Amino acid sequence: GESVGLHLPTLSVQEGDNSIINCAYSNSASDYFIWYKQESGKGPQFIIDIRSNMDKRQGQRVTVLLNKTVKHLSLQIAATQPGDSAVYFCAENIFENGNKLVFGAGTILRVKS
Amino acid sequence: GAVVSQHPSWVICKSGTSVKIECRSLDFQATTMFWYRQFPKQSLMLMATSNEGSKATYEQGVEKDKFLINHASLTLSTLTVTSAHPEDSSFYICSARVGGQYNEQFFGPGTRLTVL
Repeated sequence: GESVGLHLPTLSVQEGDNSIINCAYSNSASDYFIWYKQESGKGPQFIIDIRSNMDKRQGQRVTVLLNKTVKHLSLQIAATQPGDSAVYFCAENIFENGNKLVFGAGTILRVKS
Repeated sequence: GAVVSQHPSWVICKSGTSVKIECRSLDFQATTMFWYRQFPKQSLMLMATSNEGSKATYEQGVEKDKFLINHASLTLSTLTVTSAHPEDSSFYICSARVGGQYNEQFFGPGTRLTVL
């Protein structure tokens, strides 16, 4: 089914701390997952992706963890910086569903200096 | 990296008029383009999928006669909001994808539509 975001939860972290943003996805047939960052008034920006045959992937300062058993995805940001403040969305790709992305509700990340 | 542009970046129009939004892939050819709508403090909702040279596939609940999509080339897709009303005011975002299953979607910067 489609994920509809009506309320955005907020995560407030102190600059320099690590951030963990969580996402529950809906379809066990999803085969590819992406995390996006969206700043106010802009389009989504790709952060990191992971395929369903993996459970962890690391990038620069970011790590994505995938738990298919409970259909849960998380994004870890190390040493969070003020420039990381934005809305973060997870998206799941369902190949058998026309290969479309379904976006999660989103989480607002606020970094306090 | 791949760049997707949208034009205009914002538009204000009167109720009843039609508005066209362009989406271009600047440095790559996109086999598929997608149109999303985003209301304030909400997530992106897929409106339709368009492939070059064929009719767009609309998501359930999206009126195809109201949101006309044309994908005339591998680098250009247009969304026309016909007879716009205040409830159509939203942030419209397009994305473009090069290939198949694991190919990344590149997003445009969005177009803010305000209907008075």
